[in-house]
Amino acid sequence: QKEVEQNSGPLSVPEGAIASLNCTYSDRVSQSFFWYRQYSGKSPELIMSIYSNGDKEDGRFTAQLNKASQYVSLLIRDSQPSDSATYLCAVNAGAAGNKLTFGGGTRVLVKP
Amino acid sequence: ETGVTQTPRHLVMGMTNKKSLKCEQHLGHNAMYWYKQSAKKPLELMFVYSLEERVENNSVPSRFSPECPNSSHLFLHLHTLQPEDSALYLCASSQGGGGGLHEQFFGPGTRLTVL
Repeated sequence: QKEVEQNSGPLSVPEGAIASLNCTYSDRVSQSFFWYRQYSGKSPELIMSIYSNGDKEDGRFTAQLNKASQYVSLLIRDSQPSDSATYLCAVNAGAAGNKLTFGGGTRVLVKP
Repeated sequence: ETGVTQTPRHLVMGMTNKKSLKCEQHLGHNAMYWYKQSAKKPLELMFVYSLEERVENNSVPSRFSPECPNSSHLFLHLHTLQPEDSALYLCASSQGGGGGLHEQFFGPGTRLTVL
């Protein structure tokens, strides 16, 4: 079983719609959770971090964390073509301090 | 320079060559990382340095040799690589310490091709 799982996509979203990405993780002691955006040929860029249950909003992005169900999600509101990228979910294994485990990423395509 | 920088950005080497990748962070962080990203595979953590000490080595072959002379610089020395080592090599840094979020920030990467 993979430690961090994401649907590989592609997730096709019309421009202006909401893109919903999900991520599940297996390690119950995980404490911090991150979403990275990676454009083709580029390095990952941190867009959201969350460590408390509930929602965290930053601009058009909302991260949602549910530790009991071991999932974290990312909502992108008013999706734009520039949001087309691969979104990586990363989980900090609390006991290991600064080690991040990444999912395989979800490719998002926003169509004009 | 700001953030995390890596050189070279592209590298082509033969299997008998020796080369080094360089990473420098300008964020005042105390932990640095090497990752490997191959096509259609998740990011793989290779090495972690915290306060200049190696704290993680994920069963990486000895043909990869890291070096962290200080908290701002990280090197990855390469020798006798194999074609399957061709990948994007990413450096990242974070501020460690108990209770922190340990947000990691990545450099632009080095695209390595082994012939």
